[in-house]
Amino acid sequence: DVKVTQSSRYLVKRTGEKVFLECVQDMDHENMFWYRQDPGLGLRLIYFSYDVKMKEKGDIPEGYSVSREKKERFSLILESASTNQTSMYLCATEAAGGPRKYNEQFFGPGTRLTVL
Amino acid sequence: QQQVKQSPQSLIVQKGGISIINCAYENTAFDYFPWYQQFPGKGPALLIAIRPDVSEKKEGRFTISFNKSAKQFSLHIMDSQPGDSATYFCAASIHGNTGKLIFGQGTTLQVKP
Repeated sequence: DVKVTQSSRYLVKRTGEKVFLECVQDMDHENMFWYRQDPGLGLRLIYFSYDVKMKEKGDIPEGYSVSREKKERFSLILESASTNQTSMYLCATEAAGGPRKYNEQFFGPGTRLTVL
Repeated sequence: QQQVKQSPQSLIVQKGGISIINCAYENTAFDYFPWYQQFPGKGPALLIAIRPDVSEKKEGRFTISFNKSAKQFSLHIMDSQPGDSATYFCAASIHGNTGKLIFGQGTTLQVKP
C-alpha cells in the first residue's frame, strides 16, 4: 500500500512568514508533485520532481520553491506567504518508467493552509 | 495553455439514478484520460482511466465514454449510491511528459438517499 504523508493537516501562518510543507512517501517512487486545490479551479500543478535534486516548474510556480534532497521527501516552500496562497496543498507521487505506460498518481491527505 | 474543462460544477442525483460528468480538452496530443475521486478530508484517488484507442471503458458501475473527434470524455455512474458522494476530477496527460496531469475544475456529486 502506497503511503503519502504530509506534515500538517491544518496550518495557519501570517503574511510574510516563510512556510515549509513537507511530503514523505514510502514507495520508492521517482516522481513527486505539489498541487494546490481551489474551489472551481481544480488541481493546479506548482512544481514536480522526477529525481533527487531535480525539479521542474508546473503551471503556477510563482511565489513557491521546492527542495528534494532525498528520494522519499519533497518539500514545498513559500518564501514569503501571502493571503492569496491560502489554499489546500496536495502532494502526489508516481512511479516512473517500467512496463506500465501510464502510471497512477497517489495523493497525500492535503494541508489546508490559511495565511492571515 | 493546455486546458481541460469540466462540467457541471455540482450535481445532485437521487439514489439509483445515473450521474454524468463531462470533460472537454483542447490538446490533441493528450493520450491518457484518468478520473480521480476525492472524499472529504482525503486526497484524490484514481477511479478509472481510458486511452484514446478505445471509445468506452467500464469498471463496475463506472463507465468512461470517449469521443476523440469531439475532444470530449465523460464519466457515467450507474445506480448512483450515497457512498458515491464525492468530488470528481477528470484529467489528461501526454505520455512521456513525466506524468504531468492537467486537471479539470472538479464536480461535487451529492447522491440523495
